[in-house]
Amino acid sequence: DIRMTQSPSSLSASVGDSVTISCRASQDIFSSLAWYQQKAGKAPKLLLYTTSRLESGVPSRFSGSGSGTLYTLAISSLQPDDSATYYCQQYFTSPFTFGQGTKLEIK
Amino acid sequence: QLQLQESGPGLVKPSETLSLTCTVSGGSISNSYYWDWIRQSPGKGLEWVGSISYRGATYYNPSLTSRVTMSIDTSRNHFSLRLSAVTVADTALYYCARRGHYYGLWGQGTLVTVSS
Repeated sequence: DIRMTQSPSSLSASVGDSVTISCRASQDIFSSLAWYQQKAGKAPKLLLYTTSRLESGVPSRFSGSGSGTLYTLAISSLQPDDSATYYCQQYFTSPFTFGQGTKLEIK
Repeated sequence: QLQLQESGPGLVKPSETLSLTCTVSGGSISNSYYWDWIRQSPGKGLEWVGSISYRGATYYNPSLTSRVTMSIDTSRNHFSLRLSAVTVADTALYYCARRGHYYGLWGQGTLVTVSS
């Protein structure tokens, strides 16, 4: 199985700040990476796919980059609504696997 | 718009079989997407359980394959999960989701607790 490791596990930032979340795969996943946002009591919501493609309706404050085994989610101009847990997921090969999540707190 | 809704018992006894159904509304289940089950628990995070196509082709997580069966009923526009010989480790929030390559659509999730 491909192991997905996210860092940090949690972070705290203020409104207007920018943050980055990293996701490392245990082997090359050839940009087959998606990012999800999950709020308390809700299902995950797709933010980006194929590393950097923004899902329809997602603000352009969210962006993704990376290749090979290392990927990054960047969020700029943080808003209170961005408070959530963020997950990366590889879909290069089955079994499809997720990172352990990064909890973002907006101060 | 297309929506997914999980249903099934919220409590299952150890060693018994967990059965869940995901009903697709607002569109047809008979298309090129895969229909997946994903579960979420505090201990294991988000875990892919398995996939089924509208033609019935199935793919299971190797860690669960001996206990998992998925089926699809295109006439009723739903697909189902059966997980046998459950233990407390199978306690989780179970989601159904639509997969092209990634998960663009999820159900709201249903909590299944394994307890005697």
